[in-house]
Amino acid sequence: SAVISQKPSRDICQRGTSLTIQCQVDSQVTMMFWYRQQPGQSLTLIATANQGSEATYESGFVIDKFPISRPNLTFSTLTVSNMSPEDSSIYLCSVGRTVPSYEQYFGPGTRLTVT
Amino acid sequence: AQKVTQAQTEISVVEKEDVTLDCVYETRDTTYYLFWYKQPPSGELVFLIRRNSFDEQNEISGRYSWNFQKSTSSFNFTITASQVVDSAVYFCALSVTTVGTYKYIFGTGTRLKVLA
Repeated sequence: SAVISQKPSRDICQRGTSLTIQCQVDSQVTMMFWYRQQPGQSLTLIATANQGSEATYESGFVIDKFPISRPNLTFSTLTVSNMSPEDSSIYLCSVGRTVPSYEQYFGPGTRLTVT
Repeated sequence: AQKVTQAQTEISVVEKEDVTLDCVYETRDTTYYLFWYKQPPSGELVFLIRRNSFDEQNEISGRYSWNFQKSTSSFNFTITASQVVDSAVYFCALSVTTVGTYKYIFGTGTRLKVLA
């Protein structure tokens, strides 16, 4: 497994502002993912963070709203831009192994409330 | 379609009862992986188990056991002699491959409440 930390752990932000969430891993990993979990809901993949190239976004998520950086194999950031109350969610990063197991390990999450 | 269904939204049991959480999946892949995760009230997802599509052996780990049946596309999770600390939301997930990468599809989760 891997030790994953996220900053901040929680925040309360005003509508129209932006928040950048950091994800740090204690070892180099190829795959990093960002998820959103709206209150009482399941996890929805926002994007796969690719080292050295643009992130790959899922349907319904766009780079202008959720820009992602992945400067190296241990770190990534997700920015939630121009926030509205609908963005209030838990945002989780995960790191993934490929062969042979395809396991993912999740960070503790960032609880975001937009007022 | 690639999909994971957890039909049980919420289950309540009394401590020491056994409980089974259902997971049914759909996939077009011939090789795939299934997972169970636990999300306690603290919010962090905890990895419980991985099963690949070629391994239909059931697995037991302490009070936890998993039953994988390809014939019915199910991967059910049983907790024996449940405890209050088992109270959490449990997610079943399916890994699906895409070009050069993979991703998880999560079920909607089952909230388990174990009452003392």
